[in-house]
Amino acid sequence: DQQVKQNSPSLSVQEGRISILNCDYTNSMFDYFLWYKKYPAEGPTFLISISSIKDKNEDGRFTVFLNKSAKHLSLHIVPSQPGDSAVYFCAASARYGGSQGNLIFGKGTKLSVKP
Amino acid sequence: DVKVTQSSRYLVKRTGEKVFLECVQDMDHENMFWYRQDPGLGLRLIYFSYDVKMKEKGDIPEGYSVSREKKERFSLILESASTNQTSMYLCASRKAGNLAGNTIYFGEGSWLTVV
Repeated sequence: DQQVKQNSPSLSVQEGRISILNCDYTNSMFDYFLWYKKYPAEGPTFLISISSIKDKNEDGRFTVFLNKSAKHLSLHIVPSQPGDSAVYFCAASARYGGSQGNLIFGKGTKLSVKP
Repeated sequence: DVKVTQSSRYLVKRTGEKVFLECVQDMDHENMFWYRQDPGLGLRLIYFSYDVKMKEKGDIPEGYSVSREKKERFSLILESASTNQTSMYLCASRKAGNLAGNTIYFGEGSWLTVV
């Protein structure tokens, strides 16, 4: 049973426009959420995170929104750049509840930003 | 900067061979992880270790074992490699403490092909 779902395997966006990547989760114990970016043949790199006590966190061109009632989060990239083309993984963890804080990853969304 | 180093980037092994994947981190992190990444399946946790000589099974431990004799080093062992273990393997580490809030840092990955 997938606890973290990224329902769009791929997304294509024009350079300069907004990219919106979505993530849904099922476990109400999750209280910390992260986004990782991965280029081919490289390990994932941390991008941005949000705690469940917040509904928005912003870092430059990247903003993550959290809707706890809908168990949904999204990553907004504005403006999108060709260098943003990568696979984006959503991850969640629970401080308590048996998973010992381990990150649960979604399957990823491949973003392509076209010049 | 955190550095997680995976000693082998690309390996080709024969079915039935014993394979060692080595990982070293330089930030005195207590927690270390091994994931594998496959297209369409995202990142799946194989094993993790909270501290030296400690190990816990992740979601897909079958066919793998691990060793954590020193804090900085976490090894993944394939006792008898099989073709379905062809994958990209990612090592990661994290500071213990605020488990749900601490970012994990990944190595660059090891591409293993079993023929």
